[in-house]
Amino acid sequence: QKEVEQDPGPLSVPEGAIVSLNCTYSNSAFQYFMWYRQYSRKGPELLMYTYSSGNKEDGRFTAQVDKSSKYISLFIRDSQPSDSATYLCAMTFEGGGADGLTFGKGTHLIIQP
Amino acid sequence: EAQVTQNPRYLITVTGKKLTVTCSQNMNHEYMSWYRQDPGLGLRQIYYSMNVEVTDKGDVPEGYKVSRKEKRNFPLILESPSPNQTSLYFCASNRLAGGPLDTQYFGPGTRLTVL
Repeated sequence: QKEVEQDPGPLSVPEGAIVSLNCTYSNSAFQYFMWYRQYSRKGPELLMYTYSSGNKEDGRFTAQVDKSSKYISLFIRDSQPSDSATYLCAMTFEGGGADGLTFGKGTHLIIQP
Repeated sequence: EAQVTQNPRYLITVTGKKLTVTCSQNMNHEYMSWYRQDPGLGLRQIYYSMNVEVTDKGDVPEGYKVSRKEKRNFPLILESPSPNQTSLYFCASNRLAGGPLDTQYFGPGTRLTVL
């Protein structure tokens, strides 16, 4: 079972707000969790990945994984209009690499100037 | 510059006319894969390759073929395209076949329309 659920949005917030993007999943075997950003007419770009539970921070972006709840989040602080994009969560198994990668459907984020 | 290139970027064709979408990466990555992206269905993997001459089916392989004769190239072949293969296609490459995906790169996409 590989389902990953993600609200497609659109999610519209004013510039400077904190954005919270989320995914839930059903397969407890997932161990690697990724967030991708996809601008219109472009390929996805890997933003962050985390292993198992916990937090990871990179600049304005923070990824959180709660394996007990099967819930992952991406927080964007001080959001900018350039953050407007579709954000895809993805996850894979221990040692599964990209051949076990399962994507959410993506959340369309709009940051209003 | 590290990149994955795809050609063509846009293609309109007719049912049954064989076509090939090329994919090339300049990073000496082992792992390459093809995805299709459809509204409401997200990204789904078509085929992947762990290395030269090693390919395997992803989640939606029906109607597609691939080959990996060289490390840098991974073409996607539609022998007899049908309208349900109208989609946005992405090629991707990874440094390693397994483990962290910190080096995954996607190509710019190929928008295919089959009439």
